[in-house]
Amino acid sequence: ETGVTQSPTHLIKTRGQQVTLRCSSQSGHNTVSWYQQALGQGPQFIFQYYREEENGRGNFPPRFSGLQFPNYSSELNVNALELDDSALYLCASSLIGNTEAFFGQGTRLTVV
Amino acid sequence: AQSVTQPDIHITVSEGASLELRCNYSYGATPYLFWYVQSPGQGLQLLLKYFSGDTLVQGIKGFEAEFKRSQSSFNLRKPSVHWSDAAEYFCAVRDNTDKLIFGTGTRLQVFP
Repeated sequence: ETGVTQSPTHLIKTRGQQVTLRCSSQSGHNTVSWYQQALGQGPQFIFQYYREEENGRGNFPPRFSGLQFPNYSSELNVNALELDDSALYLCASSLIGNTEAFFGQGTRLTVV
Repeated sequence: AQSVTQPDIHITVSEGASLELRCNYSYGATPYLFWYVQSPGQGLQLLLKYFSGDTLVQGIKGFEAEFKRSQSSFNLRKPSVHWSDAAEYFCAVRDNTDKLIFGTGTRLQVFP
């Protein structure tokens, strides 16, 4: 059974650019959630995907968008990057309705 | 609104000493509660969870937590801390839309 994997592990982007982060779900899981963790803070929910549709969204602007693919892997896209977008982005997979989510190692995004 | 409070930002203990990390939650219904641990630059690892039943739950690495509804608390405990327990600890509650709401975390430092 493979765990949740994220790529890349680190990324540096310039303000105004766009970025795509990737997540492969744990085998058998059909739901993917994305979280943003700023330095010194707890993770904040961005959105969740189930059956390739957005299934809930946190307090993040539309320039944060996502995709879920038929194999349940997922992408997080951020347009028009701002300095405050610098954070650790965490992906979590689970079975819908199941109470337990498993997290990947995260992608560290730095916006300069 | 649902929320999680971890009153202690930073705790320092000696190796072999006991540990208690505090967590208070605000949630209208029966909560699903979690404790996660995060090593520097890493993702989140689930230590333990509470859904229902016995209010004292056992987790990995010798950790346990007690759910007290009357105090809206879910404190994490370990009888004897090891140097490898030094990390950031997050308490979380799952809301009715499947998303996790995290506290701001408690950083644990262990002295030899």
